[in-house]
Amino acid sequence: TQLLEQSPQFLSIQEGENLTVYCNSSSVFSSLQWYRQEPGEGPVLLVTVVTGGEVKKLKRLTFQFGDARKDSSLHITAAQPGDTGLYLCAGMNSGNTPLVFGKGTRLSVIA
Amino acid sequence: GAGVSQTPSNKVTEKGKYVELRCDPISGHTALYWYRQSLGQGPEFLIYFQGTGAADDSGLPNDRFFAVRPEGSVSTLKIQRTERGDSAVYLCASSLQGSLRREQFFGPGTRLTVL
Repeated sequence: TQLLEQSPQFLSIQEGENLTVYCNSSSVFSSLQWYRQEPGEGPVLLVTVVTGGEVKKLKRLTFQFGDARKDSSLHITAAQPGDTGLYLCAGMNSGNTPLVFGKGTRLSVIA
Repeated sequence: GAGVSQTPSNKVTEKGKYVELRCDPISGHTALYWYRQSLGQGPEFLIYFQGTGAADDSGLPNDRFFAVRPEGSVSTLKIQRTERGDSAVYLCASSLQGSLRREQFFGPGTRLTVL
């Protein structure tokens, strides 16, 4: 069974601080996706990383896929209250196979 | 529609009752997925359709759970003899076969509460 471990599980920071969320597995994935979920809504896709070592930037968010395609990180620079939410990483194998999700990191950014 | 839609948004039922949850995927998406998300957890896979057929139903917890997609578009998740442990948010997602990054787009979910 493939598992994704996310850390930290909870994070509460002040506006303007930087933070990093980690997603680790002992298994290799063909791609990894990061989602953000707000209360009462479904997860919304932020980014997909496919190539080992790949780095993608989305405004103040930087995503990295590990060289071995087993882990990933999400770094947020100068966090804002609007970044508050549940951040989920999800791995996928080849084909249209189901996603394997981590438990998520619940981020709270305080103004 | 523009996105994945799910109905109802909330469903409260009594233990032992039968419920149906509906998912309407993005038009043209051939793959459809059902996930279940319990409080404080990430979504867990239940069943995956490619067209009309269930390509993988290994995530269904037991035979009380069943899903159909008769015309390859709308899907219905059916739960018989509901139990309190079935309470969760049921999420549906769809994706476009052949998409390079195989991105899945999620609906808002149906929150099921079994009393």
